[in-house]
Amino acid sequence: KAGVTQTPRYLIKTRGQQVTLSCSPISGHRSVSWYQQTPGQGLQFLFEYFSETQRNKGNFPGRFSGRQFSNSRSEMNVSTLELGDSALYLCASSSTPGNTDTQYFGPGTRLTVL
Amino acid sequence: DQQVKQNSPSLSVQEGRISILNCDYTNSMFDYFLWYKKYPAEGPTFLISISSIKDKNEDGRFTVFLNKSAKHLSLHIVPSQPGDSAVYFCAAPLSGSARQLTFGSGTQLTVLP
Repeated sequence: KAGVTQTPRYLIKTRGQQVTLSCSPISGHRSVSWYQQTPGQGLQFLFEYFSETQRNKGNFPGRFSGRQFSNSRSEMNVSTLELGDSALYLCASSSTPGNTDTQYFGPGTRLTVL
Repeated sequence: DQQVKQNSPSLSVQEGRISILNCDYTNSMFDYFLWYKKYPAEGPTFLISISSIKDKNEDGRFTVFLNKSAKHLSLHIVPSQPGDSAVYFCAAPLSGSARQLTFGSGTQLTVLP
């Protein structure tokens, strides 16, 4: 079974631009969560989608948004990029609600904002 | 404000010895904890978890201990192997949501051959 895939793996943008990142969950998984990892901050929860609906949202500004498609693939969008948005963005998929130890992470997208 | 804290950014251990990674939390409502391992250029991989109704959970070389009164948990790896060298994160679900985890800042474990 293929794992969680994220595209692109690396991205370089400049301040003020916008970016879209993509995540394909493991086949059959309907939940996708997004996390941001910056040096010294650990991983911070962005949002979670289940069956095309956003179920939870972390403490991030409205510039960060996402969506999920009927095939469970998810995208996140960051508008008006700032230098501080440089980070590793990870998505994780899981199959059943309430099952904490089956979140499978993708390799991440490394975003650099210049 | 970080609700899960890992105060040691790095730890070096000799191969064959015990590795002990520590994690503190502030939210007494947390009832489930997880440890993830992360290699460079890969996403975190689930390692082991523990429910607050237990004080110990063991899986092969990995054991997690939970001290609720001290709001402290630790991951023991015995014996440590060079392949265990990675960043280790402890995490807990926020608001009871399984898929909204709050993570510590991680501890880089280096196992020396």
